[in-house]
Amino acid sequence: AQSVTQPDIHITVSEGASLELRCNYSYGATPYLFWYVQSPGQGLQLLLKYFSGDTLVQGIKGFEAEFKRSQSSFNLRKPSVHWSDAAEYFCAVGRTGGFKTIFGAGTRLFVKA
Amino acid sequence: DTEVTQTPKHLVMGMTNKKSLKCEQHMGHRAMYWYKQKAKKPPELMFVYSYEKLSINESVPSRFSPECPNSSLLNLHLHALQPEDSALYLCASSHNTGSSYEQYFGPGTRLTVT
Repeated sequence: AQSVTQPDIHITVSEGASLELRCNYSYGATPYLFWYVQSPGQGLQLLLKYFSGDTLVQGIKGFEAEFKRSQSSFNLRKPSVHWSDAAEYFCAVGRTGGFKTIFGAGTRLFVKA
Repeated sequence: DTEVTQTPKHLVMGMTNKKSLKCEQHMGHRAMYWYKQKAKKPPELMFVYSYEKLSINESVPSRFSPECPNSSLLNLHLHALQPEDSALYLCASSHNTGSSYEQYFGPGTRLTVT
């Protein structure tokens, strides 16, 4: 069965510091992988996605993620965090021909001045 | 236009009321979704429509009744809800062909059942 694990419930980083949010997935084939961000009281916004090809994926707002098949991971990174990045981040996995997207539990990012 | 709109933004209803949530998109997507999200939790899939036909129903109680009148609109009719149904209800849309299933989400309707 598909599953997504985000080991960190919350993370606090200083503004300007680098960020890495972890995501591990369990899936029997090549997955479709996503990172979404949700600000309080808002809907989810797609940051980036991986389907195939280059394992380093660039997204919006300066985020990138790297797909590592050997580690079943799809970690999200940003070199310099801004206060406006404080939000909930969800890693998600989908499959070919399916509508169901499995979301991880989320990681809440706090940014301190 | 990459926007999914939802109305109303907030809704308070009693357990005997009937109300509806509305979702609209004009991106030409032919798959539309309803999710329920409780505080500090990920979204939970409720329904999926593909080409205006119900494709997935995740064993949702019958007090929630979805409707897809056309390719741009999705409704969720609510009747005799329980307090535990209070949540953020999210609508999303996506393409349903090819390899791309990333979903575009609306801002949600915050529902409170009293």
